[in-house]
Amino acid sequence: DTGVSQDPRHKITKRGQNVTFRCDPISEHNRLYWYRQTLGQGPEFLTYFQNEAQLEKSRLLSDRFSAERPKGSFSTLEIQRTEQGDSAMYLCASSSSLGTTEAFFGQGTRLTVV
Amino acid sequence: QKEVEQNSGPLSVPEGAIASLNCTYSDRGSQSFFWYRQYSGKSPELIMSIYSNGDKEDGRFTAQLNKASQYVSLLIRDSQPSDSATYLCAVNRYGNKLVFGAGTILRVKS
Repeated sequence: DTGVSQDPRHKITKRGQNVTFRCDPISEHNRLYWYRQTLGQGPEFLTYFQNEAQLEKSRLLSDRFSAERPKGSFSTLEIQRTEQGDSAMYLCASSSSLGTTEAFFGQGTRLTVV
Repeated sequence: QKEVEQNSGPLSVPEGAIASLNCTYSDRGSQSFFWYRQYSGKSPELIMSIYSNGDKEDGRFTAQLNKASQYVSLLIRDSQPSDSATYLCAVNRYGNKLVFGAGTILRVKS
């Protein structure tokens, strides 16, 4: 297994456009998390799934953000009508609900809204 | 009060010294505790996990947990310039999200 994979690695978009990111978790992991990180801050929780169920969504997340995990495998995070404040690193992590709950991160997607 | 608090640093130590990184958390229900290392422009990398009170050692790294004091620390022995990074403390309740501190910048000077 090659670990958590995210695509794209970098995305530059114009304000007002929609963007979609993809995350492929470690194959045996049933939990998948999305985080956002800005410079000088720790990762900020956005949402997480156990299998295909979205179990928690941050209250800080606006309605412009939506995430899916069809069939409990890969996940997508969509941001509609992007704003400059959405510029950040978007991180995906996965873990197992069995045994240890160690979470492993992908390489991240760097979003720049111009 | 932030859920997970860390000194932002930078913490500067000479090469070969012991670096001590500290973290406090507010949720007494927290059950799992993690340290991640993050190099500039890269994603966090898990380096230590600890689940029960006491010490856990892995190579040059030792994690220490004191649930009564709601305190977790990371010691790095024989610090190397390659250890220079931001160290993130994270905690969670079982089956819940990870909550991160803002991180401590460590600089190891040769």
